[in-house]
Amino acid sequence: QKEVEQNSGPLSVPEGAIASLNCTYSDRGSQSFFWYRQYSGKSPELIMSIYSNGDKEDGRFTAQLNKASQYVSLLIRDSQPSDSATYLCAVAPPSGSARQLTFGSGTQLTVLP
Amino acid sequence: DAGVTQSPTHLIKTRGQHVTLRCSPISGHKSVSWYQQVLGQGPQFIFQYYEKEERGRGNFPDRFSARQFPNYSSELNVNALLLGDSALYLCASSYDPPGEQYFGPGTRLTVT
Repeated sequence: QKEVEQNSGPLSVPEGAIASLNCTYSDRGSQSFFWYRQYSGKSPELIMSIYSNGDKEDGRFTAQLNKASQYVSLLIRDSQPSDSATYLCAVAPPSGSARQLTFGSGTQLTVLP
Repeated sequence: DAGVTQSPTHLIKTRGQHVTLRCSPISGHKSVSWYQQVLGQGPQFIFQYYEKEERGRGNFPDRFSARQFPNYSSELNVNALLLGDSALYLCASSYDPPGEQYFGPGTRLTVT
């Protein structure tokens, strides 16, 4: 069974701090990695995608990928109360298969004013 | 541009009944995936369609079926509803699978 693991949290950080969210995956052949943000009662919203080892930055968000360690993370700099949400890590298998996304159970983040 | 749309928003059904959920993808997207999300868990994959063909099926019983139409919209059908089918049903579209998938607002199904 291919798995994606996340710490469920809750993770609390003060406003302005860096929030660090982590995800590990079991399928070593995975090729594509995504971070979604989900507010309570809403659907997931894509915030970052990463495909190669290293860092990818988009505004206050940085995604980090280490395929050798089967680890992907999301850093949120200058955290704001509006960042309070559940963050979902999603992984796609290599080409040739159905390539559906496998999601972790999410990490609940609370940013304290 | 319009995002992914789903209908209905909310639905209440009785055990044993049948339900049809509908999804329209983002214009230009040819792939639609369906997910089930229960409280406290991530979305679980049900079906993926690309160019009107089924590309993948998750670990769900045969009571669940889906199809994609020539205009790339899709519907998910669930027969013989069980209490455990109560969940948020999400549709996601992408240009091609798996691509970057964008979710619709979901349909909240309650089975009583």
